[in-house]
Amino acid sequence: AQSVTQPDIHITVSEGASLELRCNYSYGATPYLFWYVQSPGQGLQLLLKYFSGDTLVQGIKGFEAEFKRSQSSFNLRKPSVHWSDAAEYFCAVGASGTGNQFYFGTGTSLTVIP
Amino acid sequence: DSGVTQTPKHLITATGQRVTLRCSPRSGDLSVYWYQQSLDQGLQFLIQYYNGEERAKGNILERFSAQQFPDLHSELNLSSLELGDSALYFCASSVYGGGGETQYFGPGTRLLVL
Repeated sequence: AQSVTQPDIHITVSEGASLELRCNYSYGATPYLFWYVQSPGQGLQLLLKYFSGDTLVQGIKGFEAEFKRSQSSFNLRKPSVHWSDAAEYFCAVGASGTGNQFYFGTGTSLTVIP
Repeated sequence: DSGVTQTPKHLITATGQRVTLRCSPRSGDLSVYWYQQSLDQGLQFLIQYYNGEERAKGNILERFSAQQFPDLHSELNLSSLELGDSALYFCASSVYGGGGETQYFGPGTRLLVL
């Protein structure tokens, strides 16, 4: 069965520092992988997605993620964090087959210190 | 703004009652999805519709039901409400609902059951 693990419940970084949020997935075939961000009181906004091809994918707001099949990981990175990046980040794996349901991780809450 | 709209934004009701949540997908999207976000369960997939037909079903309780209408809007009906049903309910939409398609999320409906 598909599942996603985000090991870090909460991360605190200083503004301008680099960021890496971890995501590990369990899926039998080549997965469809997504990162979403949720600001307080808001819905989920897509940051980036991986379907196939280049394992390093670029997203919005300066984020990137790298798919590593050998490690079943899809970690999200940003070289320099801005205060506005403070939010909840969710990794998701999309099912293939009849439906398109997403399986989400539990999320990582990011705090940015000025 | 994802283009997905949900009403109402907030809903407060009592145990045993029934409520209806409404979702309008992005223009051109044929598939809608419902998710429940709660503190203890995280983001859980409930159900997916494509062009009026049920496409995939997740952990949706028997007390809950949904449908997608000919104009493609969708409603999620929650009945015999319990305290534990208090959560944020998200609707998402995608073009065809096939595996790996990006889902665009609405702002959510926050349900509080007292």
